[in-house]
Amino acid sequence: ETGVTQTPRHLVMGMTNKKSLKCEQHLGHNAMYWYKQSAKKPLELMFVYSLEERVENNSVPSRFSPECPNSSHLFLHLHTLQPEDSALYLCASSQERGGGNTGELFFGEGSRLTVL
Amino acid sequence: GENVEQHPSTLSVQEGDSAVIKCTYSDSASNYFPWYKQELGKRPQLIIDIRSNVGEKKDQRIAVTLNKTAKHFSLHITETQPEDSAVYFCAASIFTGNQFYFGTGTSLTVIP
Repeated sequence: ETGVTQTPRHLVMGMTNKKSLKCEQHLGHNAMYWYKQSAKKPLELMFVYSLEERVENNSVPSRFSPECPNSSHLFLHLHTLQPEDSALYLCASSQERGGGNTGELFFGEGSRLTVL
Repeated sequence: GENVEQHPSTLSVQEGDSAVIKCTYSDSASNYFPWYKQELGKRPQLIIDIRSNVGEKKDQRIAVTLNKTAKHFSLHITETQPEDSAVYFCAASIFTGNQFYFGTGTSLTVIP
């Protein structure tokens, strides 16, 4: 498989559950991202990992916990979420920008999360 | 930090007409402006981008213009087709950074 794949595509969880979202990229990129997409809002950057080091953490609540075990895999661990956390969570990867490379973001198809 | 505003939020055009989507940004340090297209139920994909050292870039029916002084950039789609129907997102970024700031999106509908 090529590109960026996310699992699961759909997830329904209660507020007391613990679940994880998984992202895998097959593009040889060295940066991976988690974005949150809610209706009528901009894509919100949650976390960035560059060369497996977290470089951005945009004031995301601690109930979201990222993990990047290697440059091809990214997880988002979810714990005691709130209904307002229901959204589409998009993973993306890119290559470091420079030279002729623009650092284009390649997105996965997203994990649709519903918190009851 | 950067603030990107995008207008309109929805846009309907007749097939064959042109569509224009506009974005403004606040941080003069931003120098890279990509546009992403997201079809219904699909992932966002880059369609065109522009760096601040040029004022316009064109790729077939799609063009992007940039006015650095006014801090705004626009996406132009000519001879629209039904398959152009999608949500379009603009973004601003500092070329050497990892942070992309996205607009709120424009839902474009091309009416056959």
